[in-house]
Amino acid sequence: NAGVTQTPKFQVLKTGQSMTLQCAQDMNHNSMYWYRQDPGMGLRLIYYSASEGTTDKGEVPNGYNVSRLNKREFSLRLESAAPSQTSVYFCASKEGSNTEAFFGQGTRLTVV
Amino acid sequence: GDSVTQMEGPVTLSEEAFLTINCTYTATGYPSLFWYVQYPGEGLQLLLKATKADDKGSNKGFEATYRKETTSFHLEKGSVQVSDSAVYFCALIPSNYKLTFGKGTLLTVNP
Repeated sequence: NAGVTQTPKFQVLKTGQSMTLQCAQDMNHNSMYWYRQDPGMGLRLIYYSASEGTTDKGEVPNGYNVSRLNKREFSLRLESAAPSQTSVYFCASKEGSNTEAFFGQGTRLTVV
Repeated sequence: GDSVTQMEGPVTLSEEAFLTINCTYTATGYPSLFWYVQYPGEGLQLLLKATKADDKGSNKGFEATYRKETTSFHLEKGSVQVSDSAVYFCALIPSNYKLTFGKGTLLTVNP
């Protein structure tokens, strides 16, 4: 039972570099989410996709783009990484309006 | 907009002490409420949930009751263990699918 799988688990980037964080879920969920977790800030929503083919901005979308490639996959792209994007990134998925979300193990990103 | 406010930590307790972590929310409509737990180096795991007013969620000795009149969902455990040391997040899911989390409360339980 893989659940939500994120890759990579760790990444170090130089300022200005780009990268894509991958997320895939095998639970046939419609909704998927990207969060960042920073000390003292909790989890902040970057982008979400309520269903395949739709994406919406969350609380902190600046500097990020997303792609809902298909029902399983939801990627997060940093076009030009900045030190302020150093964080732990979590992908989540859920089905329905009153159900819990399932989280991946996270990607620890450091931008130097 | 929707928001969750939970008590700031860190919280440090001795083993077998009583735990309360306060959580209040602001939301339109009738959101579902959740408590998640994050152990060191791991992702978030669902601890318990409640989907309507007066529901009580419970799991692993933890409990929380959905109080619509006070817009609260406080987490309680009668006797904590060292293994309960983790970060606890209160969360809500309103009808627009945007999961909203509190800032988290770090709990440390000493033997």
